[in-house]
Amino acid sequence: EADIYQTPRYLVIGTGKKITLECSQTMGHDKMYWYQQDPGMELHLIHYSYGVNSTEKGDLSSESTVSRIRTEHFPLTLESARPSHTSQYLCASSESSGTRWEQYFGPGTRLTVT
Amino acid sequence: AQSVTQLDSQVPVFEEAPVELRCNYSSSVSVYLFWYVQYPNQGLQLLLKYLSGSTLVKGINGFEAEFNKSQTSFHLRKPSVHISDTAEYFCAVSARSRGSARQLTFGSGTQLTVLP
Repeated sequence: EADIYQTPRYLVIGTGKKITLECSQTMGHDKMYWYQQDPGMELHLIHYSYGVNSTEKGDLSSESTVSRIRTEHFPLTLESARPSHTSQYLCASSESSGTRWEQYFGPGTRLTVT
Repeated sequence: AQSVTQLDSQVPVFEEAPVELRCNYSSSVSVYLFWYVQYPNQGLQLLLKYLSGSTLVKGINGFEAEFNKSQTSFHLRKPSVHISDTAEYFCAVSARSRGSARQLTFGSGTQLTVLP
């Protein structure tokens, strides 16, 4: 069982609010990722991090921002939520080296912006 | 860059029947290959992976997949499915490159529905 956590699991919020989606892992992984997934659709990478103080944008453009101040913590922030941000957000992590190339996923946060 | 095509968006199958979920990929470099399963309102769970060695890999829950380099395919199979196998299945690839971000490129998913 992977030790990666996301809170909240579900969030309904009004337009214009600032929100932060939390992601934490206890595996000591350097690499962490945020994906956006619409219902019945593939996952799109929106942010990733190689380690502390390292963040990069992914393939899908996103208005969200991320930070990586501690190895275990990779929060995602939306300064002003809009209905177009309604989606599921999945956090993942992986090792930096070795043969365990796979990513471990959290349970996701389902965000609804009204 | 890599791309993944999952040829079937939905696969209905009766309980105890065999199933194959198809995955083809495109890449200019060597890749690692993965299958993940996603149950409703949950994250993704790794079913199996191909990194090197035998092209037939076995995973959890009785699933297996075969890597075919010439056909750039990585089809997932199970000889006898159960109701509990109903879920969304994602094929993914990652470029084999030292120092990479180990990014995964996902297919669009296949919804497997097992009917009683």
